[in-house]
Amino acid sequence: DVKVTQSSRYLVKRTGEKVFLECVQDMDHENMFWYRQDPGLGLRLIYFSYDVKMKEKGDIPEGYSVSREKKERFSLILESASTNQTSMYLCASSLFGSRYFDEAFFGQGTRLTVV
Amino acid sequence: SQQGEEDPQALSIQEGENATMNCSYKTSINNLQWYRQNSGRGLVHLILIRSNEREKHSGRLRVTLDTSKKSSSLLITASRAADTASYFCATDWKTSGSRLTFGEGTQLTVNP
Repeated sequence: DVKVTQSSRYLVKRTGEKVFLECVQDMDHENMFWYRQDPGLGLRLIYFSYDVKMKEKGDIPEGYSVSREKKERFSLILESASTNQTSMYLCASSLFGSRYFDEAFFGQGTRLTVV
Repeated sequence: SQQGEEDPQALSIQEGENATMNCSYKTSINNLQWYRQNSGRGLVHLILIRSNEREKHSGRLRVTLDTSKKSSSLLITASRAADTASYFCATDWKTSGSRLTFGEGTQLTVNP
């Protein structure tokens, strides 16, 4: 069965901390995504990676960075957490490394609270 | 940003009725997908329709795509209480093959 696993379901961090959100997929997918989801705003794309060590900014990359050292793992980094980064973070992966996306598989989400 | 926009934002129906949700988008796409999200969980893929297709079926789901109007609809027939969830459309743009972007979703409530 296809699986995307996010390291934590719930996370509470302090303002100014460096936060790592980890995502692992077991499907050998080329594409991996990080979204954040907020009420009334839907899902917004933070970063996207189409291959190992490759990344592309999404719509709201400010305050975030990513790392993809291995194909199966895509990490989202909050360099200095702020309260406005309190949100639900969703990781996804999909096949097709070139131009078109097929079905995306999502992790269960990480609800991050920054206090 | 290039996002699909779902309509209505919320829909409440009785079990057994049909539910129709609409999605509009702004520019040319490669494909359009529909996803479902149960409260507090990740999204689950329902159906994908490519830009050269007009209609697709999967079980009780029927999706249509009108590229001239840049719109899609998702019909759930004979709804059940278990269909209660948020439904999102997602578009893969033709101008940039690197983004899969989502709308804000329709919250469907099916009352038993």
